[in-house]
Amino acid sequence: ELKVEQNPLFLSMQEGKNYTIYCNYSTTSDRLYWYRQDPGKSLESLFVLLSNGAVKQEGRLMASLDTKARLSTLHITAAVHDLSATYFCGNFGNEKLTFGTGTRLTIIP
Amino acid sequence: DTEVTQTPKHLVMGMTNKKSLKCEQHMGHRAMYWYKQKAKKPPELMFVYSYEKLSINESVPSRFSPECPNSSLLNLHLHALQPEDSALYLCASSQARGSYGYTFGSGTRLTVV
Repeated sequence: ELKVEQNPLFLSMQEGKNYTIYCNYSTTSDRLYWYRQDPGKSLESLFVLLSNGAVKQEGRLMASLDTKARLSTLHITAAVHDLSATYFCGNFGNEKLTFGTGTRLTIIP
Repeated sequence: DTEVTQTPKHLVMGMTNKKSLKCEQHMGHRAMYWYKQKAKKPPELMFVYSYEKLSINESVPSRFSPECPNSSLLNLHLHALQPEDSALYLCASSQARGSYGYTFGSGTRLTVV
């Protein structure tokens, strides 16, 4: 059975701090996605990671992929309030995109 | 045009009603998807269409009936729904099934009363 697990489920952090969200997947397909979702809104694509060691950065967010460990991380640097949202990773395996449980991130001033 | 457009944005329907959700894209994508998202949960795949043919049905109850009349349009027909079917229904498309660029629509918020 395809599993995509994220942790933590909830994350409350102060502005200016750094933190990391983890995403483990069970398939041998190493195609990994990160999405952001604001309350009541749709999914906004952040990153697509396709190979071992891939690293992508956009502003204060950086995503990486370790295919040997079947692990992706989303690192937040010097968090700002605008980053408050729910973040989902997704793994494309068994011919479909399956999402992780999501991490609800709240940035506190 | 780089968008997936879903209508309506909100829908309230009774358990005996028949309604349809509509999804449209003009990016030339040949794969289209329906996802269901309950509150505080991740989206769950319902159906995949590839080149206008149904290729994946994730054991969805028959009260949900998908239709892909052409390469730009995807419908989800709803009949005799239950209150637990209330959710955000998201449509997505990609260049082909298995392509790595998924574009999601803004969703239809469905409430079954």
